[in-house]
Amino acid sequence: EMQLLESGGGLVQPGGSLRLSCAASGFSLNDYEMNWVRQSPGKGLQWVSSISGTSTFYTDSVKGRFTISRDNSKNALYLQMNTLRAEDTAVYYCVKRRQRLFDIWGQGAMVTVSS
Amino acid sequence: DIVMTQSPLSMSVTPGQPASISCKSTQSLLESNGRTYFFWYLQKPGQSPQPLIYEVSYRFSGVPDRFSGSGSGTDFTLKISRVETDDVGVYYCMQSSQFPITFGQGTRLEIK
Repeated sequence: EMQLLESGGGLVQPGGSLRLSCAASGFSLNDYEMNWVRQSPGKGLQWVSSISGTSTFYTDSVKGRFTISRDNSKNALYLQMNTLRAEDTAVYYCVKRRQRLFDIWGQGAMVTVSS
Repeated sequence: DIVMTQSPLSMSVTPGQPASISCKSTQSLLESNGRTYFFWYLQKPGQSPQPLIYEVSYRFSGVPDRFSGSGSGTDFTLKISRVETDDVGVYYCMQSSQFPITFGQGTRLEIK
């Protein structure tokens, strides 16, 4: 069974940094495009970032602050988040994409940016 | 960016009755390969989103045939032929024709 498990969420002060991790099981991360999608409390879904091969993509609001990467030897996906803002507070989902469909979602990691 | 607009934003449906959700995009989602990268997801209370429909009208594995998707270009519809209590949650449309990938605002379905 294909599964994704996020970790690394928590409380951080504005301007701080945090790294989210996503462990994959049941498939090789390297074979698929992987994504981060976030959901602010009580709000809708927002795509954040994608990695496919060596190509990376970001939504405008996180460009220059967030970096997506993966370690194929560990079958893990990461999101390095720097210069965090209050508006980055959200549940962050690790998501696998197959033929443009987000088919496997993790359970989410909560990130709270507050002083 | 492609903006996705859903309507209605909330609905209350009696079990056994049909339901319909509309989603409109600001650009055509039809690509030169003939495929339309438009999707529906359901987020049940306390859960992660789950895929329902891919490429406008194809049901994801395990999705009951009560759910159907239709549309083309910029106008799309999700229909539930007979709503069940398990259908409660927020329905999102999404386009992945181009980056940034964008979602609709969500439609909350409640049971009367």
